[in-house]
Amino acid sequence: DTAVSQTPKYLVTQMGNDKSIKCEQNLGHDTMYWYKQDSKKFLKIMFSYNNKELIINETVPNRFSPKSPDKAHLNLHINSLELGDSAVYFCASSQAGGITDTQYFGPGTRLTVL
Amino acid sequence: EDQVTQSPEALRLQEGESSSLNCSYTVSGLRGLFWYRQDPGKGPEFLFTLYSAGEEKEKERLKATLTKKESFLHITAPKPEDSATYLCAVWKTSYDKVIFGPGTSLSVIP
Repeated sequence: DTAVSQTPKYLVTQMGNDKSIKCEQNLGHDTMYWYKQDSKKFLKIMFSYNNKELIINETVPNRFSPKSPDKAHLNLHINSLELGDSAVYFCASSQAGGITDTQYFGPGTRLTVL
Repeated sequence: EDQVTQSPEALRLQEGESSSLNCSYTVSGLRGLFWYRQDPGKGPEFLFTLYSAGEEKEKERLKATLTKKESFLHITAPKPEDSATYLCAVWKTSYDKVIFGPGTSLSVIP
């Protein structure tokens, strides 16, 4: 049983398109995150949700919009995709809403914008 | 400016050859430091959290230590399965912000 799952694993699309990445966790955690890992392997937090409420919103273009229908899901919608959006996007979750809690990461979604 | 650096960028070890990875940080208001392991094509896997200078934590062949300006991940008698990228991240007091370093790619040769 996968703890944190993401779909799709790979996403290739044209500039200007709109796409979504889905994330689900079956750990019963209260907090979920989206991270971006660029080509230099730097991992940067984008968003954090606790019980469906936005907690962290780093300096991310407003083309990126997270949506949390329930505390087990956190989806990432990206409008008007740009070349610079190409990266691996990781979803993660933790218990109790504290950043110090162990975060469990999904397998990642590799987004390629052509 | 807050910054996290890791050295070396890449490290090749013979099986059984112990070594250390370094994570240096300049962050105001540090609340904790994390170590993660990342295998190719996978998400990071949590290893340790350290909260205060002088703290040490161990897990199998790995031991993490923390000072006021850096953290070390010591690998004792590594095995090929320890090959991975090791990431450190610092947790700031304000805004629950976590800043990751660029990682050290470790290869352990049989």
